[in-house]
Amino acid sequence: QKEVEQDPGPLSVPEGAIVSLNCTYSNSAFQYFMWYRQYSRKGPELLMYTYSSGNKEDGRFTAQVDKSSKYISLFIRDSQPSDSATYLCAMTTGGGNKLTFGTGTQLKVEL
Amino acid sequence: NAGVTQTPKFQVLKTGQSMTLQCAQDMNHEYMSWYRQDPGMGLRLIHYSVGAGITDQGEVPNGYNVSRSTTEDFPLRLLSAAPSQTSVYFCASVESGGLGNSPLHFGNGTRLTVT
Repeated sequence: QKEVEQDPGPLSVPEGAIVSLNCTYSNSAFQYFMWYRQYSRKGPELLMYTYSSGNKEDGRFTAQVDKSSKYISLFIRDSQPSDSATYLCAMTTGGGNKLTFGTGTQLKVEL
Repeated sequence: NAGVTQTPKFQVLKTGQSMTLQCAQDMNHEYMSWYRQDPGMGLRLIHYSVGAGITDQGEVPNGYNVSRSTTEDFPLRLLSAAPSQTSVYFCASVESGGLGNSPLHFGNGTRLTVT
């Protein structure tokens, strides 16, 4: 079993929809949780990060961490065609030197 | 400020050939790393370095060598390429101590095919 599990999709939604992307993990030592966005033929870029449990909001994006359930989510409100990309969750322990990624979820927002 | 630069962008090798994937960053980051990305497998860590002269293995190190003689450069060497090494390779860097709460800066990848 992988340390981080993520549904690969693809996920197709109409423009304006609310998108929910999720990851589960097994290592209770993970403290830092991130979401990266990767456009086709590009390297991933950091979208959001959170420390420990709780919510964080940035514009149309909200990241949630539930450490008791070992479950993290990324919500995208009012989705746009420009949000079409692969979204990767990533996590690490405090002071760790390794970032563990999920497999990524491919999202397509259609007009 | 170029960020993380990877060369070449594309490469085709025959089984058994060797090559070096280049990675350079101009942000004075201490931490540098190499990942490979395969369908259904996500990004997997090959090797990483926390500073010049210091390297360590990641999740999938077999068949790859690295060295770190300067802060800026972190080349990845394939000594004898195998078809299983066909993948997209990403180099990434982050400032010291920042892996959890600072962006990992990625290059745009090297697409390698081994026939």
